[in-house]
Amino acid sequence: DAGVIQSPRHEVTEMGQEVTLRCKPISGHDYLFWYRQTMMRGLELLIYFNNNVPIDDSGMPEDRFSAKMPNASFSTLKIQPSEPRDSAVYFCASSFSPREQYFGPGTRLTVT
Amino acid sequence: GQQLNQSPQSMFIQEGEDVSMNCTSSSIFNTWLWYKQDPGEGPVLLIALYKAGELTSNGRLTAQFGITRKDSFLNISASIPSDVGIYFCAGQYTGNQFYFGTGTSLTVIP
Repeated sequence: DAGVIQSPRHEVTEMGQEVTLRCKPISGHDYLFWYRQTMMRGLELLIYFNNNVPIDDSGMPEDRFSAKMPNASFSTLKIQPSEPRDSAVYFCASSFSPREQYFGPGTRLTVT
Repeated sequence: GQQLNQSPQSMFIQEGEDVSMNCTSSSIFNTWLWYKQDPGEGPVLLIALYKAGELTSNGRLTAQFGITRKDSFLNISASIPSDVGIYFCAGQYTGNQFYFGTGTSLTVIP
């Protein structure tokens, strides 16, 4: 299997612009998680889906963040408008049952 | 949120030495996972533990699920340069969410 696929790997954007991060989970996995990693706060869970349905979005920082999972093989995390404090590495992870999560390579986001 | 204390924060060891690190929580966990993260990459799952007292190995790595269910340990035997990276523990006690430790940065000196 190709593993979890994320795109883009790097994104540099200006403050105020919309950013869309993409994730393709491992085929057959029914859970999908979005994380954010920073030096200050470590790995933070933003939101997770089960069978394409958002289950817990309490980690989403604010209304500027939104996530969708239109089908079992695709999810997006959108930030609109982006701010410099959103700069971080964003990871997508998937799992079969809520146990062993497998992470993608991440998207390094820089907002200037 | 749930606090996971991981120690030590960083380690500098000579190649060939054994390594020990641990993770403690204030809550009882049902599952413990150990990950390794290389620079610029996502965390890679090393070992998963599901029962108190469970001891599981993966090559030179051995992890244990503490009897109290509030801690877990990871040991690396005979370290090699490619063991360099950041090791994270993750615990799950209710629902589907995992909580991650702050990481142990390992440097292996050849």
